[in-house]
Amino acid sequence: GAGVSQSPSNKVTEKGKDVELRCDPISGHTALYWYRQSLGQGLEFLIYFQGNSAPDKSGLPSDRFSAERTGGSVSTLTIQRTQQEDSAVYLCASSFRGTSGGYEQFFGPGTRLTVL
Amino acid sequence: AQKITQTQPGMFVQEKEAVTLDCTYDTSDPSYGLFWYKQPSSGEMIFLIYQGSYDQQNATEGRYSLNFQKARKSANLVISASQLGDSAMYFCAMAARQTGANNLFFGTGTRLTVIP
Repeated sequence: GAGVSQSPSNKVTEKGKDVELRCDPISGHTALYWYRQSLGQGLEFLIYFQGNSAPDKSGLPSDRFSAERTGGSVSTLTIQRTQQEDSAVYLCASSFRGTSGGYEQFFGPGTRLTVL
Repeated sequence: AQKITQTQPGMFVQEKEAVTLDCTYDTSDPSYGLFWYKQPSSGEMIFLIYQGSYDQQNATEGRYSLNFQKARKSANLVISASQLGDSAMYFCAMAARQTGANNLFFGTGTRLTVIP
């Protein structure tokens, strides 16, 4: 079956430009997560969507970062006025329900963002 | 707050031997889940094994087992009969239930290299 997909796989942009990263979760999964992985580091939580509930935005590093999830499925992570420190791999994951219930997260292949 | 600590940045193991990857955690929540993920050089995150804090027995999944010592707050991953394909980064992660936090807190990872 289809896993989590992300697009683009690679994105190179100039400092100051806006970027949009897309995530298609596994069909039927109600929970969706965005993480960031900087070079040689672990994953850093950004935002979590669960069904129609208000998202948990506690991990967003600044107000330049925002995300939305339309129709309970596809999600878009937007970074405005990109900075060089935004360069990282952005990973999306989905799970059947919330992870605190023991449901593992299935990850997409990630989008490698490079800000020049 | 939750914290995951992986003290081994790199580990080597001979093919066909067993290896233990260390993970300690800290949380004030009595109910939590512990996860291990594998990240090969291709970048995708692959779920390996899950342990709930109230599970009486250590989790096992094929060649993977989790040595869960609740009093010591450790959740070490044991890989038996190592294979060359096991060479990858391994991340320990935790989700806490009662705080309502469904996002995973990740450790910094351990790079495992299997030697032929």
